[in-house]
This record gives sequence, structure tokens and C-alpha cells, in this order.
Amino acid sequence: DIQMTQSPSSLSASVGDRVTITCRASQSISSYLNWYQQKPGKAPKLLIHAASSLQSGVPSRFSGSGSGTDFTLTISSLQPEDFATYYCQQSYRILYTFGQGTKLEIK
Amino acid sequence: QVQLVESGGGVVQPGRSLRLSCAASGFTFSNYAMHWVRQAPGKGLEWVAVISYDGSNKYYADSVKGRFTISRDNSKNTVYLQMNSLRAEDTAVYYCARDRMTTVTTYAFNIWGQGTMVTVSS
Repeated sequence: DIQMTQSPSSLSASVGDRVTITCRASQSISSYLNWYQQKPGKAPKLLIHAASSLQSGVPSRFSGSGSGTDFTLTISSLQPEDFATYYCQQSYRILYTFGQGTKLEIK
Repeated sequence: QVQLVESGGGVVQPGRSLRLSCAASGFTFSNYAMHWVRQAPGKGLEWVAVISYDGSNKYYADSVKGRFTISRDNSKNTVYLQMNSLRAEDTAVYYCARDRMTTVTTYAFNIWGQGTMVTVSS
């Protein structure tokens, strides 16, 4: 099974900050990596697919990069609505595993 | 608008069965693979099962294989998850989710329902 490990598990930041979240796969997954945002009590929302492709309707302050085993999600200038939990997910092979999540909190 | 609405959740005893439904609207349902993803209370996300756009292919997580069955009725724009032999560890919010692309299964989920809670407890 492919394990996905995110770091950090939690992060405190301020509005306007640049934030980077890292996701590492236990084996190469090429660019089969997606990022989701989830707010409390809500369903996840797809932000980035195929490692770096911005999903339609998602603000351009979100960006993704990486391939192989190491990936990053960057928010260029945090907005109040960005405080949430972020998950990476590999879509390379069953079990299509998610990372454990990164909770982004207001400093 | 594009929408997925789950139903069928509830409290069930261990070993019993439950069937979840997910009604789709606002898009051509028969063109998309559909997935179930679950989230245990306070935990992360776990992909559960997928069914291809035409129902010909189905795949399951190891944790539910042999106990859960995914199916769809394209005439009713609905996907189902039949859950048998339920265990306490199946307690979770169950989301149905649409694949991002038509006909091809990408395992990226761009439309989600609001979720339905399943609690397995005696």
C-alpha cells in the first residue's frame, strides 16, 4: 500500500502569510496527486489535481508542485476563508490513500 | 446545479446491514464514475469504493471488500452502497463523490455530497 505523509500536522499562520504544506508518498506516484480543503462539518473540496493543475473556480493563490514522491501545496497569501484542514491524496493506485491532514489555524 | 445528496445513514447494531443512496442531479450521471469516501469521527478521509460510469467495473478498499457492494442505476441517477456485516470501525460519515472526468476514472473527486452518518453500535 502507498502511504501518504503530510507535514506539518498543524500550522498557525496569519492573514497574508505564504504557507507551504508538504506531502510525501512512500513510493513514486508520478504526478497522481490531488489536494483537498475541508472545513468543519463540510465535505472536502478539490483544489489541485495531477499535482499542479488548479481545479476550476479555485483561487490562483493556491498552487501545487512536485512529482515522484515529494509534493507541496502553497497558498501565496492567506485569506480568512483559507483556515481549514488540507489533505493530499494519491490517485496512482488502489487504495487511493489520503494523507493524515494538515490543520491550518489562525495565529 | 450540480448536486449529490446522500441518504440512508443511521444507527445500526454490529453485524447488521444498511444501504446508502446518493442521488445525483445537474449533470449527466451516466458519464461519470462514482465513489464512496468515508471519514470516521475526528479522523481523516478513507476511499471506500468506486463504480465505473457504466457499472462494469467496481473496486473496493481492503477494509470493506467482501462486506460492501457498490452499485448504480443510471436510469435513476443514483449510486448505492450496500453495507453488510457492519463493524464498529465502520462508524463514519459516508460521502459519495463524483470523479473529475467523464468516462475515464481519475480517482480525483470534484463533486461531493454533504455526507450521511453511519453509527455502528450495540
